[in-house]
Amino acid sequence: GAVVSQHPSRVICKSGTSVKIECRSLDFQATTMFWYRQFPKQSLMLMATSNEGSKATYEQGVEKDKFLINHASLTLSTLTVTSAHPEDSSFYICSARDPRGGQFFGPGTRLTVL
Amino acid sequence: LAKTTQPISMDSYEGQEVNITCSHNNIATNDYITWYQQFPSQGPRFIIQGYKTKVTNEVASLFIPADRKSSTLSLPRVSLSDTAVYYCLVGLGGGNQGGKLIFGQGTELSVKP
Repeated sequence: GAVVSQHPSRVICKSGTSVKIECRSLDFQATTMFWYRQFPKQSLMLMATSNEGSKATYEQGVEKDKFLINHASLTLSTLTVTSAHPEDSSFYICSARDPRGGQFFGPGTRLTVL
Repeated sequence: LAKTTQPISMDSYEGQEVNITCSHNNIATNDYITWYQQFPSQGPRFIIQGYKTKVTNEVASLFIPADRKSSTLSLPRVSLSDTAVYYCLVGLGGGNQGGKLIFGQGTELSVKP
């Protein structure tokens, strides 16, 4: 299947700092990418839809000013967690729609906020 | 949004065939059914996708009845490495979901020796 990468795979930061997570589609161009968050023993929760060249669409209850999404190119979307707090500690996963068919997920980024 | 319902957990033994059924009563006409596998601390991995009838690939089969209100993922001769959470999702066909994949609770499959 298609390949989606994420960077970093894990990050530890201090409370109040901002953290940027990158999501790349390696062998296809993706006009649409998605960002999910997953807490331990829970399912993935969709946070937002990232659209290349336009503003992201956020799911209900997700603060757009806290979780900044930028989709500046057809192969890269970034999620910035601003002023991170311990409750933002989670597993963040992106996915990208392949124009040839299917939606593929990145390996995830483990964020720990101290 | 189409909602899916799956058993929370299933147990099996090595070498057995495992069938996981998913209900999606509100599936839209242009929705596809996709199954993903997730290991701890990893992103979901695509297993199989179908629209109707039966689809088979090198790792699984997907059975979809004519009314498309349910689907069954069949894993032949499971091994210990198949222990994971399996998610059934509907979407990707456009429609009012805009291609979003909404995850349900998934089925935690435990394969024992």
